[in-house]
Amino acid sequence: GAVVSQHPSWVICKSGTSVKIECRSLDFQATTMFWYRQFPKQSLMLMATSNEGSKATYEQGVEKDKFLINHASLTLSTLTVTSAHPEDSSFYICSASSVTGDVQPQHFGDGTRLSIL
Amino acid sequence: GQNIDQPTEMTATEGAIVQINCTYQTSGFNGLFWYQQHAGEAPTFLSYNVLDGLEEKGRFSSFLSRSKGYSYLLLKELQMKDSASYLCACMDSNYQLIWGAGTKLIIKP
Repeated sequence: GAVVSQHPSWVICKSGTSVKIECRSLDFQATTMFWYRQFPKQSLMLMATSNEGSKATYEQGVEKDKFLINHASLTLSTLTVTSAHPEDSSFYICSASSVTGDVQPQHFGDGTRLSIL
Repeated sequence: GQNIDQPTEMTATEGAIVQINCTYQTSGFNGLFWYQQHAGEAPTFLSYNVLDGLEEKGRFSSFLSRSKGYSYLLLKELQMKDSASYLCACMDSNYQLIWGAGTKLIIKP
């Protein structure tokens, strides 16, 4: 159980392109989804927390107009990197927590490796 | 401020036992998580501790002492596939996860 699917797994595109990444919880309902970025050999960096039906909460230093997050349902959140540039190249990972009264672990998708040329 | 400390890198031998320590300082505490992350892959959940004591799950065990702000992950009968980074993360009073930088574990034959 607790499977999170992330798509696509790998994207290579030209500078200026917008890229949409999908994160789905397949077998549970996720009130909260998280978007992380990880550069090579560095730790996870939380970009934003997204709650179903409301605006995402962005971490300090993350441009909300650059990284658009939509959490339209309890099983789907999307991250759109708008007008991507080479410095946006990174490993983007989503995670989701299920809806219960207890603390639940975050379950991660497989990640999306984004390369901007 | 909130802080999670864990060693940057550790080396151990196949078949042996290794203990990865984590100390934390957070605003409130709602539990501590351990995750495993292989190179180039996303993290996978290993364990969750919210009460003091040892939780055993197969070859992996996790310990928590809330009074000391301390946890460890114990890996027994090490296998080559255990080579990975191990991430310690604490949930604060706002249910936010505070992540450590991870411990890279290198297993040698």
